[in-house]
Amino acid sequence: NAGVMQNPRHLVRRRGQEARLRCSPMKGHSHVYWYRQLPEEGLKFMVYLQKENIIDESGMPKERFSAEFPKEGPSILRIQQVVRGDSAAYFCASSSSIRAAKNIQYFGAGTRLSVL
Amino acid sequence: DQQVKQNSPSLSVQEGRISILNCDYTNSMFDYFLWYKKYPAEGPTFLISISSIKDKNEDGRFTVFLNKSAKHLSLHIVPSQPGDSAVYFCAASETSYDKVIFGPGTSLSVIP
Repeated sequence: NAGVMQNPRHLVRRRGQEARLRCSPMKGHSHVYWYRQLPEEGLKFMVYLQKENIIDESGMPKERFSAEFPKEGPSILRIQQVVRGDSAAYFCASSSSIRAAKNIQYFGAGTRLSVL
Repeated sequence: DQQVKQNSPSLSVQEGRISILNCDYTNSMFDYFLWYKKYPAEGPTFLISISSIKDKNEDGRFTVFLNKSAKHLSLHIVPSQPGDSAVYFCAASETSYDKVIFGPGTSLSVIP
């Protein structure tokens, strides 16, 4: 029973490049959440998706960031034209409908993005 | 502005003793609270939760206490074990299915 899989674990990009972070939820989970953690800070909510739908993107920056969770395949967090301030750990979490109703989320190990 | 605060960045406790981790919040609309634990190089793991209709919830060695009037909650771990050494995040949401707001975390070290 695989957990939430995120890849890559580490990603290095130069300023202006695009970063694509992937998240495969646990089997049977249709709810996906993305969080960002800056050094010495807690996790900041970015976006909540269900299959093919964005439910809540109130924590997502308005520009350069987008997220999707297609019918088939992993959820993707895309950051265009990265800047140094985007350097952070990005965590994905998934949940089943029952667990989502109790905000119980299962986290991946994260992707550490470094922007040079 | 931090809606969920954990004012102690770190805490050291002797094995076998009680660990008390504190959390304060500012948003009076928060109605549901959770604690997550995180080991290095791993994602957070759900530990325990409490809704505002309760003031205490217990699960084995872990107990969460909620004081809604003071906007304060705490996590008690008794007895503390070296394997409990981790970063503990307090989190809150307006409902049990609304977006979760995390605190900055408290790093707990349990000394054998």
